[in-house]
Parts: sequence; C-alpha cells; structure tokens
Amino acid sequence: SQELEQSPQSLIVQEGKNLTINCTSSKTLYGLYWYKQKYGEGLIFLMMLQKGGEEKSHEKITAKLDEKKQQSSLHITASQPSHAGIYLCGALPFGNEKLTFGTGTRLTIIP
Amino acid sequence: GAVVSQHPSRVICKSGTSVKIECRSLDFQATTMFWYRQFPKKSLMLMATSNEGSKATYEQGVEKDKFLINHASLTLSTLTVTSAHPEDSSFYICSASGTSGRATDTQYFGPGTRLTVL
Repeated sequence: SQELEQSPQSLIVQEGKNLTINCTSSKTLYGLYWYKQKYGEGLIFLMMLQKGGEEKSHEKITAKLDEKKQQSSLHITASQPSHAGIYLCGALPFGNEKLTFGTGTRLTIIP
Repeated sequence: GAVVSQHPSRVICKSGTSVKIECRSLDFQATTMFWYRQFPKKSLMLMATSNEGSKATYEQGVEKDKFLINHASLTLSTLTVTSAHPEDSSFYICSASGTSGRATDTQYFGPGTRLTVL
C-alpha cells in the first residue's frame, strides 16, 4: 500500500521566518498535491507537481518534487499569520487513481 | 480555482436517524466525486468514489448500505448516513474532479460537514 509520511507533524514558527514541510512517499508518484486546511474546514488546493525536479511557486509558497518523484517539500518564505493551518500532501501513485493523503503538518505562526 | 460546496456545514442528529449531505460543484461539471472522512488529528480517509450515472465504488471496510452515495448529475453527489450512531460522528469532506477523466485531474474539496450523532 502507498505510504506517505509528512514531517514535521507540527511546527511553530515566528512570524517572518521561513519554514519547510516535507512529504515522502514509499513509491514513485504520478502526481503530488499540496493542500491547506483550516481547522474544521475543507481543503484548499495549493499546487500540483507531476514532473521530476519540478518546482512551483504561488505567492510566498514554493513546492518542489525531487527527480525520483518520491519526495516533495513545501517552503514558505517570510511566514505570516495567514499561513497558519494544516498542510496536507496528497499523492497519486502510478497505476492508482486514488489520492492518498499524508497525516498533515499543523503550522502555527506566532507574533 | 473551482468551487465545491457542501450542505449542511454542521448537523446534529439523534442515534438511529438518517442524515443526507450534499456536495455540489458550482462552476464546473464533475464526472467524479469523492467522499472522505476525517478523524480528529488524522488524515483523510477515502470512503468511496462516485461517477455520475453509475454506482459508487466503496473502499474496503466502508459499509455501502450504511453510507449511501448518489451521483445523479454532473454537479451533485449526496452521501446519506443511514441509521446513524455516535461512532459515525465525524467530519465528512467531498471533493470533485473535472471532466477530462484523467487520474491527475485536480480534486477540489468542499468545506466539509461536521456530523454529530447523539
């Protein structure tokens, strides 16, 4: 079965600092998605990565997928309170159309 | 991005009653909709996949007679929790993906429904 690990599980960062969240798969992926969730709410699509070595940015958030397509990182630059929430990576393995999610990273931004 | 709505956002019901949750894609046609369940401090667990006009495909361990899914149109899927019990209390989230039919179609998620069964 597809194993998807996220680290860290929780992160407390001072406002203005940079941070990185990692997502590692046990299998090569067809696609990797990053979502953000506010507590008790649905998921907001951030980015999708599909090519090995691909990197995408949206505002202050950058996501990368390694060449082997098994590991992705999400980097936030100059964090703001609006970045607080739970970040989930979702993976689409080859030959499987079911999106599998990591356990999430709870990000707290402190003043 | 695409918008998916869910209704209701919160529902409290008595044990033994049935609850219907609606999932709508507001600005696109979704051939496929997914229903997830999220437990506290845990990730999303896929319950079932529904394609418009056909029967839903349930994940292993999910009772299809308890969680009835109907995908009657390209913009609406419903999840009915029948004879709900307190252990069914959870956060239910739907997602919808586009019409290309490819596995990489991005899933857009609804805001979720908090079900509490007393």
